[in-house]
Amino acid sequence: GQNIDQPTEMTATEGAIVQINCTYQTSGFNGLFWYQQHAGEAPTFLSYNVLDGLEEKGRFSSFLSRSKGYSYLLLKELQMKDSASYLCAATDSNYQLIWGAGTKLIIKP
Amino acid sequence: IAGITQAPTSQILAAGRRMTLRCTQDMRHNAMYWYRQDLGLGLRLIHYSNTAGTTGKGEVPDGYSVSRANTDDFPLTLASAVPSQTSVYFCASSEGDGGTDTQYFGPGTRLTVL
Repeated sequence: GQNIDQPTEMTATEGAIVQINCTYQTSGFNGLFWYQQHAGEAPTFLSYNVLDGLEEKGRFSSFLSRSKGYSYLLLKELQMKDSASYLCAATDSNYQLIWGAGTKLIIKP
Repeated sequence: IAGITQAPTSQILAAGRRMTLRCTQDMRHNAMYWYRQDLGLGLRLIHYSNTAGTTGKGEVPDGYSVSRANTDDFPLTLASAVPSQTSVYFCASSEGDGGTDTQYFGPGTRLTVL
């Protein structure tokens, strides 16, 4: 079957670093996305990985291991505005996205 | 208009009524999608369209229909609403029709079926 797993909720402190993990199982794989979604708003694109390794984009980095079916999103120098849900999505063999339920990140001062 | 717009923002609907959710994009994207988002579940694809004139079924298509008469518009119709269709509905678009293109989302429609 197809499945995306990520933790339901995480808490971190302002200024710290947090890593949000995602494991996936899809029938065929063509890439992995991370989106950010603030409460009551639409998801917005953060990153896309298709090859193994780390992609860095400012305070946010995303890592992919295709052989392990594993990805993580790394957020550095956390700010209060980073409080949001982070959605992991993998592309299946039909070239459609399978979405995880999202990880709610709570930032404390 | 910039990006994707959806209407209405929210709606309360009696069970059995017909309802059309509207979605318009001005980015000339080829592909468009309809998702529903329920608490504790990931976004689930209802229907999609890879290009004007074509549509396809997603993971949860039952009770919903779509049309794609032109590039910009992709309405979603609930023929006879049921309470299990209470959800937040997001329309999205992407430049290409493959799952490797970034999807851009509209602001969503919050639908309650009583």
